[in-house]
Amino acid sequence: QSALTQPASVSGSPGQSITISCTGTSSDVGGYNYVSWYQQHPGKAPKLMIYDVSNRPSGVSDRFSGSKSGNTASLTISGLQAEDEADYYCSSYTSSSTEVFGTGTKVTVL
Amino acid sequence: EVQLLESGGGLVQPGGSLRLSCAASTFTFSSYAMSWVRQAPGKGLEWVSAISGSGGSTYYADSVKGRFTISRDNSKNTLYLQMSSLRAEDTAIYYCANTPIPYFAYYFDYWGQGTLVTVSS
Repeated sequence: QSALTQPASVSGSPGQSITISCTGTSSDVGGYNYVSWYQQHPGKAPKLMIYDVSNRPSGVSDRFSGSKSGNTASLTISGLQAEDEADYYCSSYTSSSTEVFGTGTKVTVL
Repeated sequence: EVQLLESGGGLVQPGGSLRLSCAASTFTFSSYAMSWVRQAPGKGLEWVSAISGSGGSTYYADSVKGRFTISRDNSKNTLYLQMSSLRAEDTAIYYCANTPIPYFAYYFDYWGQGTLVTVSS
């Protein structure tokens, strides 16, 4: 199972909105509404930000939102803040009854 | 608050074995699917294995199938990963994570702090 494709880096100024894409195939992202997103700060464990494409866990800011179109899922961060600077990973269930992560995106707040 | 505490990591020679443990607390352990996810130094996340809440169903990445075995003891609220025939490419931080769904880990809700496994001679 190949990793899902994410841009290596995305940047934005405070207050702006950015979108991170996550491209897979019809056997993973496109075939199921089981896409999730994780935030990871350096030296820390990942944190769940979005599950089932667009659901936010309790405690996660509503500045984070998720969507999906075809084989590509997206994470949008609105009102970008300095604390949002981190690595972000998508993940999807697959037709092989496994999970696959994306390649990861480094978000930089300018 | 949910707590997941991994242990058992360390330095092991290529071809060797190691067993990781993940002690869980403050949630109904048997109602949650559990997973292991690893991260090689400076690299991205890689899903390794998952197990259903009852322990009756297990799932593995191709990269570890036949070498790793996931299991759980619901009476002890503990998840395990038995790793054998270890290779240099298995060197990583190993995280355990829970999912509030008993039959499969469709996402990873809470994560432990990780335990480092280093495979080297």
